[in-house]
Amino acid sequence: DADVTQTPRNRITKTGKRIMLECSQTKGHDRMYWYRQDPGLGLRLIYYSFDVKDINKGEISDGYSVSRQAQAKFSLSLESAIPNQTALYFCATSAGVPEQFFGPGTRLTVL
Amino acid sequence: ILNVEQSPQSLHVQEGDSTNFTCSFPSSNFYALHWYRWETAKSPEALFVMTLNGDEKKKGRISATLNTKEGYSYLYIKGSQPEDSATYLCAFLATGNQFYFGTGTSLTVIP
Repeated sequence: DADVTQTPRNRITKTGKRIMLECSQTKGHDRMYWYRQDPGLGLRLIYYSFDVKDINKGEISDGYSVSRQAQAKFSLSLESAIPNQTALYFCATSAGVPEQFFGPGTRLTVL
Repeated sequence: ILNVEQSPQSLHVQEGDSTNFTCSFPSSNFYALHWYRWETAKSPEALFVMTLNGDEKKKGRISATLNTKEGYSYLYIKGSQPEDSATYLCAFLATGNQFYFGTGTSLTVIP
């Protein structure tokens, strides 16, 4: 089984819909991250959390919210999806040492 | 927002050629520099985590060097093979604990 899982893997939704992307990890790491990847722009940090009570905005948090339900779960929500949120979304975890471990990604399309 | 640049953006080499690419990052507030290998339809996988000026890391035919004073890291691939084809990402970790990714170098090794 994968250490970092993301659901759904693919999602097509319409403008204005609320959508939640979920991330779970079995690595026991305290730190979790959400990134989005757009062609030509690399990975950009949306939100990160260093433990259950800690939530921090990243580089591009506008239009997104997160919830750290447990050490192992970190959800990303788009309250009202818009087309320019179409992207590949990655969840990642780390144990505090620099290395990060990535999930398989969620491809989101907003029509 | 910190600027992490990678060059070249893409590279095509013949099988057996050696190649290298560059990651440039701010020389202040340095904590660590990561190199990731990212194959299409997969998650980024960590190659190297580098923390000290002058660090040199090696894994098989791939090696990396780090110069934190001038803000650059080189990734070298010796005797490229088709299975080396991937996007190579670098990520700069500042002392504020946020990762900043470059846009990657896309390597294609032609058999």
